[in-house]
Formats: sequence, structure tokens, C-alpha cells
Amino acid sequence: KQEVTQIPAALSVPEGENLVLNCSFTDSAIYNLQWFRQDPGKGLTSLLLIQSSQREQTSGRLNASLDKSSGRSTLYIAASQPGDSATYLCAGSTDSWGKFQFGAGTQVVVTP
Amino acid sequence: NAGVTQTPKFRILKIGQSMTLQCAQDMNHNYMYWYRQDPGMGLKLIYYSVGAGITDKGEVPNGYNVSRSTTEDFPLRLELAAPSQTSVYFCASSSTTVPGELFFGEGSRLTVL
Repeated sequence: KQEVTQIPAALSVPEGENLVLNCSFTDSAIYNLQWFRQDPGKGLTSLLLIQSSQREQTSGRLNASLDKSSGRSTLYIAASQPGDSATYLCAGSTDSWGKFQFGAGTQVVVTP
Repeated sequence: NAGVTQTPKFRILKIGQSMTLQCAQDMNHNYMYWYRQDPGMGLKLIYYSVGAGITDKGEVPNGYNVSRSTTEDFPLRLELAAPSQTSVYFCASSSTTVPGELFFGEGSRLTVL
């Protein structure tokens, strides 16, 4: 069974700093790796999906990498803004059916 | 395009009562999922469906039932509610063209007293 871990559980940075969020998983036969954002009391929004044949994905200030051999993924957010404050969750699947195992998330606060 | 719509948003149940959480999507997605999220924990998969008439258990199916009679709807039934089912429930969907890209509803917060 795929286990997904996110450390730290919480992180606070001043505005303008770059954010680096870590995710580790136990099964190197990972199929998809996805990063989500969750705002308080809301659902999850997909940020980046790294599919099985890819090693990274980029969207605007966000970049996510996937290293299957080491069991790690990193989400990088450049030049953080207060609007980036949210909980970020990492999830991995080992099949094409979209059955994901989720980490508990990293709560990020960006202070002005 | 409403995306994934869940109802109700909040509900309080007494122990032993039953209820159905509704989920509908208007994106013509084949894949649909029910997850639950407990405080400080990641989401856990309850049930999933790969198309109308096809459902299967996820990681934590006990105490729940689902049906998928149409592509659009995927209701989750709670039978004999227990305090352990107090949680936030999320419905999600995914297309076959970009498998794995999940679209979530806003959640249904359920409290069992």
C-alpha cells in the first residue's frame, strides 16, 4: 500500500521568499503524483499532475518534480505571496484509475 | 459549468440514523470518487466508480454504500450512522482523457452525535 508523508506539517515564510514543500512516498511504482491546494472550509484544487512518464510539471510560479527512485516529490513556489497561504496536499496513485493516497498536508502561511 | 456539486454542505445525524450524500458532476467524467477527510489527516478513499453501473471499494468502505446509475450522479449512503463517521466528505471526478486529474466538490461536513 502506498504511504504518503509530508513534512513539515506547517510552515511560515515572509512574502517574497521561495517555498519548497516536500512529499515522500513508499512505493516507487508510483503512477501519478498530484499536488493540491486546499483553502479553509473548501474543496481541493489540483495544482499540478505529474503523469507516469514525466519527471516534472510547471505552471506559472509553481514547479513540481518527481523522483521515483528516491520516493520524493517537491513543490516549489517562487516569490511567495499572502494569497499562497493555504494547505498543500500531495497524493500518489499506483494505477491509472485515479485512486490516490494522500499525505496529511503542509499548512503554509505567507506573512506580508 | 458547475463542476462537482455536493449536497448537503452540513448535516447533523443521531447515532443509528441513515442518510445519503449527493454528488453530481456536469463534465461528463467517467471516473468518480468519494473520500473522507478527518482533522489533521489526509483524505481516504471510500468508494470509486469507473462508469455507470460499476463501483468498487476503496480503503475505508465499511458503513457506506454507493450506486452509479448515471454518468452524472454518484450518491454515498450512510447506514446506521456512528460517531466514527463524523468527518468531511469529498466527492471528486476525473476524465479518461487526463486520467488522475481530480476535480473536487466543496465537501459535506457530517457530525454524528
